[in-house]
Amino acid sequence: AQSVTQLDSQVPVFEEAPVELRCNYSSSVSVYLFWYVQYPNQGLQLLLKYLSGSTLVKGINGFEAEFNKSQTSFHLRKPSVHISDTAEYFCAVKMDTGRRALTFGSGTRLQVQP
Amino acid sequence: GAGVSQSPSNKVTEKGKDVELRCDPISGHTALYWYRQRLGQGLEFLIYFQGNSAPDKSGLPSDRFSAERTGESVSTLTIQRTQQEDSAVYLCASSLAGESSYEQYFGPGTRLTVT
Repeated sequence: AQSVTQLDSQVPVFEEAPVELRCNYSSSVSVYLFWYVQYPNQGLQLLLKYLSGSTLVKGINGFEAEFNKSQTSFHLRKPSVHISDTAEYFCAVKMDTGRRALTFGSGTRLQVQP
Repeated sequence: GAGVSQSPSNKVTEKGKDVELRCDPISGHTALYWYRQRLGQGLEFLIYFQGNSAPDKSGLPSDRFSAERTGESVSTLTIQRTQQEDSAVYLCASSLAGESSYEQYFGPGTRLTVT
């Protein structure tokens, strides 16, 4: 079975500081990896995805993530955050075979302070 | 174009009552998913529909939960004899077929509170 771990439930950071949100997964087969963002009172929105190719993936709003197969990680980064980045961030995994549904981590709440 | 819509946005019900939640996927999306998000937790997969294939019900937590989808349109998730542990946000997502199915588009969710 696959699982996703987001160790940090909350990450407070000051505006314009860099941030990294950690995501580790476990799976016995190849996976596809995703980061979703959930702004207050809104649905989930796809930030970026890794399907194949370059391990550094760029997404919307200046976010990027790096797939590290040996460490089974897919950490999300942004060099300089804004107040508007305050939201819940979810890492998700899909195996390349079998069930099409995503397996989600428990989420990390990013709180950007002025 | 229109995104995934869900109704109602909020539902408060008494323990033991049945509830029905509705999802309208994006037009042309053949795949539809239901997830549950409990407070402070990630999303749990409930059920998946793909075209006319038999649905993947492997995530349904008990036989009180069921879902239907007519063709490639609206889906309803029904919870019978609701319990307090059913309180959660129920999210629906839809996607295209093939590799594009990896990108799922989510609705705003239905917040269910069982008192």
